[in-house]
Amino acid sequence: DIVMTQSPDSLAVSLGERATINCKSSQSVLNSSNNKNNLGWYQQKPGQPPKLLIYWSSTRESGVPDRFSGSGSGTDFTLTISSLQAEDVAFYYCQQYHGIPITFGQGTRLEIK
Amino acid sequence: EVQLVESGGGLVQPGRSLRLSCAASGFTFDDYGMHWVRQTPGKGLEWVSGISGNSGRIVYADSVKGRFTISRDSSKNSLYLQMDSLRLEDTAFYYCAKDIGNNYWYYFDCWGQGALVTVSS
Repeated sequence: DIVMTQSPDSLAVSLGERATINCKSSQSVLNSSNNKNNLGWYQQKPGQPPKLLIYWSSTRESGVPDRFSGSGSGTDFTLTISSLQAEDVAFYYCQQYHGIPITFGQGTRLEIK
Repeated sequence: EVQLVESGGGLVQPGRSLRLSCAASGFTFDDYGMHWVRQTPGKGLEWVSGISGNSGRIVYADSVKGRFTISRDSSKNSLYLQMDSLRLEDTAFYYCAKDIGNNYWYYFDCWGQGALVTVSS
């Protein structure tokens, strides 16, 4: 199984400041057929299902604000929120879809400082 | 608008069975793979099972293999999860999720609101 490890587990950032969440996979999730990374990011707010933010490690889903960006390749990935807004308080999860079982990181809790 | 609505959750004793349903609308159901993902209250996400658009490819997490069965009915635009031999550790919110692909596994662009399954004596 591909193990996904996020850091930190919890993060507090001031409004308007940058938030950075890391995700590391136990093996490369680079898809050799399209040279894209099989890595997604989801946001989950209390009482709601997860919402897709980023796929192919860096492609923003339609409707997602451009303050959200994804980067990285191979085994190391980052989700960045360039200027934290109050509505960004949530849990964030990375997901690999490179192999079965599909696996998620343990989640990062993002709060306002 | 793409919509997924789960039903069938509830309280069940260990060793018993339960069947979850997920009604899909707003997209051509047969053209997309579907998944079940669960989440223990206050904990992270665990993928459970996936099924391709034509039901030709089915995969399970080891934790449920041999006990859970995923299926779909194109005439009803519905996804199902038959859960047998339930264990205490199967207690969770169960989400159905739509894959962006059909015959291979990718990311999930739509999730239902979830159904709570509680296994307790």
